Amino acid sequence: SALTQPPSASGSPGQSVTISCTGTSSDIGGYNFVSWYQQHPGKAPKLMIYEVTKRPSGVPDRFSGSKSGNTASLTVSGLQAEDEADYYCTSYARSGNLVFGGGTKLTVL
Amino acid sequence: QLQLQESGPGLVKPSETLSLTCTVSAGSISSSSYYWGWIRQSPGKGLEWIGNIYYSGSTYYSPSLKSRVTLSVDRAKNQFSLNLTSVTAADTAVYYCVRDNGGYGLDVWGQGTTVSVSS
Repeated sequence: SALTQPPSASGSPGQSVTISCTGTSSDIGGYNFVSWYQQHPGKAPKLMIYEVTKRPSGVPDRFSGSKSGNTASLTVSGLQAEDEADYYCTSYARSGNLVFGGGTKLTVL
Repeated sequence: QLQLQESGPGLVKPSETLSLTCTVSAGSISSSSYYWGWIRQSPGKGLEWIGNIYYSGSTYYSPSLKSRVTLSVDRAKNQFSLNLTSVTAADTAVYYCVRDNGGYGLDVWGQGTTVSVSS
């Protein structure tokens, strides 16, 4: 995958967990167009974060995004059982291409 | 609320062309604000960007698929389409159509359609 994510992450209910997404200066580092998607099994992905830090209407404020250099991060605070899902990061890259991370499976213990 | 719905064959033979259509409802494909795109997900794998198209016909394609992919728009029918040629088993996947809101993300997704490549 063009962007690198850890394959798994976990936390107990109520805890916080952070998922990283590492790219290069040609994608994450060069643009503030990082998005994060949540995907439950058998379902279509759902946009959770766009433009690095912004939440679409309806997404709980427990979800937050950030970026430092070539690495973006998604933090889920106050973990809840329904947060257990796969999470994918994306970034625009040069020439208008969109690149995805390999995905992180978040387990709520 | 804008909705997207994929349609097309669920089974394609190797070496043939995979053709899918996405119908846009409760909104116009001719909006100047959006691109329209395709994403796929192979069984048990992650998401892969295929490409996107503007209502005017301007396109961007994944470098890894560029030689086999063509996207098109039918403004009269409020639809956009994907053609993927010379398919192999590696093209077996769930294919999603999406509204690409640029920096605002892929904010509307179809439910996805499963395409298997097999003889």
